[in-house]
Amino acid sequence: DTGVSQDPRHKITKRGQNVTFRCDPISEHNRLYWYRQTLGQGPEFLTYFQNEAQLEKSRLLSDRFSAERPKGSFSTLEIQRTEQGDSAMYLCASSKVAGGFYEQYFGPGTRLTVT
Amino acid sequence: GDSVTQMEGPVTLSEEAFLTINCTYTATGYPSLFWYVQYPGEGLQLLLKATKADDKGSNKGFEATYRKETTSFHLEKGSVQVSDSAVYFCALSDSTGGGNKLTFGTGTQLKVEL
Repeated sequence: DTGVSQDPRHKITKRGQNVTFRCDPISEHNRLYWYRQTLGQGPEFLTYFQNEAQLEKSRLLSDRFSAERPKGSFSTLEIQRTEQGDSAMYLCASSKVAGGFYEQYFGPGTRLTVT
Repeated sequence: GDSVTQMEGPVTLSEEAFLTINCTYTATGYPSLFWYVQYPGEGLQLLLKATKADDKGSNKGFEATYRKETTSFHLEKGSVQVSDSAVYFCALSDSTGGGNKLTFGTGTQLKVEL
């Protein structure tokens, strides 16, 4: 396995612009998760998919945020009309069941800075 | 809702000292409990887990026991090394199989000095 990859690793954008992040999970992992982590805090859950179905969305995921996983493989997270409060590390994780248990493997994250 | 509370850091220890990082949780039902570690410049990695009460998770000399009566999952290591310096996160999942969302604590930074 090559691990979960995320692109880009860093993104600087101006307030009001739209940004899109990509996550490529470990192959054959059917679940994919998005989290957001701000400085000095633990990751906060945003949403997760099983294959292409989005099974749960956090209240943190305002209508400016949208996530997709169109073919059940890679996923994208789009933030429209970015605000300074969106500055954070966006983490992706993937998992598959093994021995009755799902272990979430995390990617390196995309650091977003909104100026 | 579910929540995890862990001791604030940074925790600074000398090499070979005993480590305890406290973690308590609030959850309905029977959550699974985890410790994740984040080494400098790296992504989150699962360190250990416990899926039911009285289970002990262990890995790389670290241990934690799922205590339902005290809603705790404290992380311990008998003799820390400089290479253990990292940020440690306690987390829970609201499913036995751990497949649903994770709820994390705020993290505890550990610094181990020679």
